Amino acid sequence: GAGVSQSPSNKVTEKGKDVELRCDPISGHTALYWYRQSLGQGLEFLIYFQGNSAPDKSGLPSDRFSAERTGGSVSTLTIQRTQQEDSAVYLCASSSKRGGGTDTQYFGPGTRLTVL
Amino acid sequence: QQQVKQSPQSLIVQKGGISIINCAYENTAFDYFPWYQQFPGKGPALLIAIRPDVSEKKEGRFTISFNKSAKQFSLHIMDSQPGDSATYFCAASSSISSGSARQLTFGSGTQLTVLP
Repeated sequence: GAGVSQSPSNKVTEKGKDVELRCDPISGHTALYWYRQSLGQGLEFLIYFQGNSAPDKSGLPSDRFSAERTGGSVSTLTIQRTQQEDSAVYLCASSSKRGGGTDTQYFGPGTRLTVL
Repeated sequence: QQQVKQSPQSLIVQKGGISIINCAYENTAFDYFPWYQQFPGKGPALLIAIRPDVSEKKEGRFTISFNKSAKQFSLHIMDSQPGDSATYFCAASSSISSGSARQLTFGSGTQLTVLP
């Protein structure tokens, strides 16, 4: 079946502009995660959605970052007034609840954001 | 306490050799330790995972060794092949308060190059 898809694959923007990044999770997956991967670094957790529950926003680096998940499926990560330090690859992952409490997170290919 | 430390940053091995990547953690609440493999331009993909109630897990050429008392775990790739050249991330997770889905804390990654 189809995996996690993200769009756009690349985004170049000017400092101060707003950007929206989209994630389509695997159909039926109730959990959705956003991570940020900076050059040569590991993945940094940003935000997590579980079904219709309030999201866990504990990883968002500033109030310029926000995310929503409509209808428990597609998610949009919005970065307002972008800064050069926001340049990174933004990865989305989804998972389904399973017995035993372990969930494999399936990652999309990411959106490479470059802020000039 | 959420940090996962990974070493080495880069690793070069000859075809047929053994690749060893090490990770250490501090948070004793972590109870699931996956390894992810990432090829350029792709999102990370789950390679193998272990829970702390076992000391070793093997899947094909890939083995995780886990030392709970030392809070360390490692990935061993036997008979390394050029196709194994990728970035490897260790990760650790604990249950998020809202349910069975899990927030992953990643190591900084190891870029593995297997020479032909």
